[in-house]
Amino acid sequence: KNQVEQSPQSLIILEGKNCTLQCNYTVSPFSNLRWYKQDTGRGPVSLTIMTFSENTKSNGRYTATLDADTKQSSLHITASQLSDSASYICVVSGSQGNLIFGKGTKLSVKP
Amino acid sequence: EAGVAQSPRYKIIEKRQSVAFWCNPISGHATLYWYQQILGQGPKLLIQFQNNGVVDDSQLPKDRFSAERLKGVDSTLKIQPAKLEDSAVYLCASSERGAPLDEQFFGPGTRLTVL
Repeated sequence: KNQVEQSPQSLIILEGKNCTLQCNYTVSPFSNLRWYKQDTGRGPVSLTIMTFSENTKSNGRYTATLDADTKQSSLHITASQLSDSASYICVVSGSQGNLIFGKGTKLSVKP
Repeated sequence: EAGVAQSPRYKIIEKRQSVAFWCNPISGHATLYWYQQILGQGPKLLIQFQNNGVVDDSQLPKDRFSAERLKGVDSTLKIQPAKLEDSAVYLCASSERGAPLDEQFFGPGTRLTVL
């Protein structure tokens, strides 16, 4: 069964600290993996996309990694800011274009 | 470039009533998606359109939900009659062609509360 599991479910960190969010998936065949940021009351916005051959992708203070062998991905946020408070959703796309969403990690950055 | 537009942003109805949501995708995007996002969960695909044809509606509860995209541009999603468990955010998204590498752009969503 195609599944995407994320951990932790929620996370509270202090402003300026780093954090890492995890995503494990069992989607096959695999096309790509995206990390989305969803602010409260808004739709998700794509942060990064990685295909099978890519193992690191950065977007400013966000760095995503992908290990296609172990089917794991992580999203590392450096020097967190209050505006990073949001839900981060891992989304895996199968080769048919079907998207499998994780439940998300809710990140709270406190001053 | 204008994003995906949705209306209304919020809707409160009583169970057994009907409700309709509207979505206008990004201009030129052939593929349109409707998702249901229950609080604390990731979005669940309800229906996917390619132009004005349905590609996937396998998770749409067809006894009460319907959707159309008659002219291949904007779309409406209807629930009739609504149940308490339909309380959720309904997200509309669009992508250029619906290919696996195409990014889906999401609208702000419509938050539905069924009392």
